[in-house]
Amino acid sequence: GAVVSQHPSWVICKSGTSVKIECRSLDFQATTMFWYRQFPKQSLMLMATSNEGSKATYEQGVEKDKFLINHASLTLSTLTVTSAHPEDSSFYICSPLAPRVENEQYFGPGTRLTVT
Amino acid sequence: DAKTTQPNSMESNEEEPVHLPCNHSTISGTDYIHWYRQLPSQGPEYVIHGLTSNVNNRMASLAIAEDRKSSTLILHRATLRDAAVYYCILRNSGGSNYKLTFGKGTLLTVNP
Repeated sequence: GAVVSQHPSWVICKSGTSVKIECRSLDFQATTMFWYRQFPKQSLMLMATSNEGSKATYEQGVEKDKFLINHASLTLSTLTVTSAHPEDSSFYICSPLAPRVENEQYFGPGTRLTVT
Repeated sequence: DAKTTQPNSMESNEEEPVHLPCNHSTISGTDYIHWYRQLPSQGPEYVIHGLTSNVNNRMASLAIAEDRKSSTLILHRATLRDAAVYYCILRNSGGSNYKLTFGKGTLLTVNP
């Protein structure tokens, strides 16, 4: 069964508004959560790494003030896209770090964001 | 991050075996070889991973070269549901950087 859930699975918002995406780790406690985004016909790009109880680490070129990440608990992380613009339209995917890094990595089903 | 090289696309026929190659000539001793696949509009799905020895699971087999500079994902009998983008990724277990960096992967098309 699914070990990672994301909500919502898709969302349409107007330009200038903010959207929050939730990611829950269902089967294990995740001290670290990875957030990816994927543009059409492209590969996944890591946006940021969040650690429970501390600030997220953002990849180069990702605006930390625009993509707010909160790792509220060991089973919940949220990504808020603030002041969304059409170019933020993408597929956002979360992935909790497994307890043993030698093990497989699980991914959420993704959230399709469309900004009009 | 250690880099992998995969063909952009491959084609197979249903119920035939598929061998998806991956080159990783700069692999280090603590790098695990991971394979994931992504169906359209879904998050990536774990397929298999290994370190040195060949691995088998219910989904696939992973054949790792003796020098570990290449590996091959084997789908024994392709089905239409196996059509996806397959990613070969190296993940280092020796440090603190556990993130998975995705390349372009191989788009597998399965013909009926």
